[in-house]
Amino acid sequence: DAKTTQPNSMESNEEEPVHLPCNHSTISGTDYIHWYRQLPSQGPEYVIHGLTSNVNNRMASLAIAEDRKSSTLILHRATLRDAAVYYCILREANTGNQFYFGTGTSLTVIP
Amino acid sequence: ETGVTQTPRHLVMGMTNKKSLKCEQHLGHNAMYWYKQSAKKPLELMFVYSLEERVENNSVPSRFSPECPNSSHLFLHLHTLQPEDSALYLCASSQVLAGAYEQYFGPGTRLTVT
Repeated sequence: DAKTTQPNSMESNEEEPVHLPCNHSTISGTDYIHWYRQLPSQGPEYVIHGLTSNVNNRMASLAIAEDRKSSTLILHRATLRDAAVYYCILREANTGNQFYFGTGTSLTVIP
Repeated sequence: ETGVTQTPRHLVMGMTNKKSLKCEQHLGHNAMYWYKQSAKKPLELMFVYSLEERVENNSVPSRFSPECPNSSHLFLHLHTLQPEDSALYLCASSQVLAGAYEQYFGPGTRLTVT
């Protein structure tokens, strides 16, 4: 299974941007980068995914390094509802629908 | 009902009991998954069913037995569990398409084995 490395925890002030980093130095050319988050007492929920180009959606932006060995999830204005564990996951092309979660980054948002 | 539902939400069982966890998805997906989330550990993928056929069994002990009778329903049958099996069991579903594979998770069943 592909490996990702994330900081265990981060803090952000409310209404400030948050940049959550992820290293995936062993990524292969066809692996997708997925981000999920898990709010307290809930199952994980999809945030965003990408392959090579930066991606934007209503929840966040995903910035992918040119060599694809790292990526950054950007929350443009953190709210208290964004406090969660954020998981960066590589979806291996040859295993298709199987995700392997790491320990993620626990984001604390300070009012 | 919308999304992915799981029942029961909480379950306490003894080591000699037999119980089943149920998952239902209302999204028209063709793949379903069981994950285990223990305290302070990453989510562990247990079983994958794609088009109602099991395609993955990550060395899960035989005391866990999955069943997928159709594309909307997934069960996890439990028997003679151990206390270390206490965890949050999460079900997910997805539509297996090239470039997609976004997974939708249920709220989980909190299992306690006494």
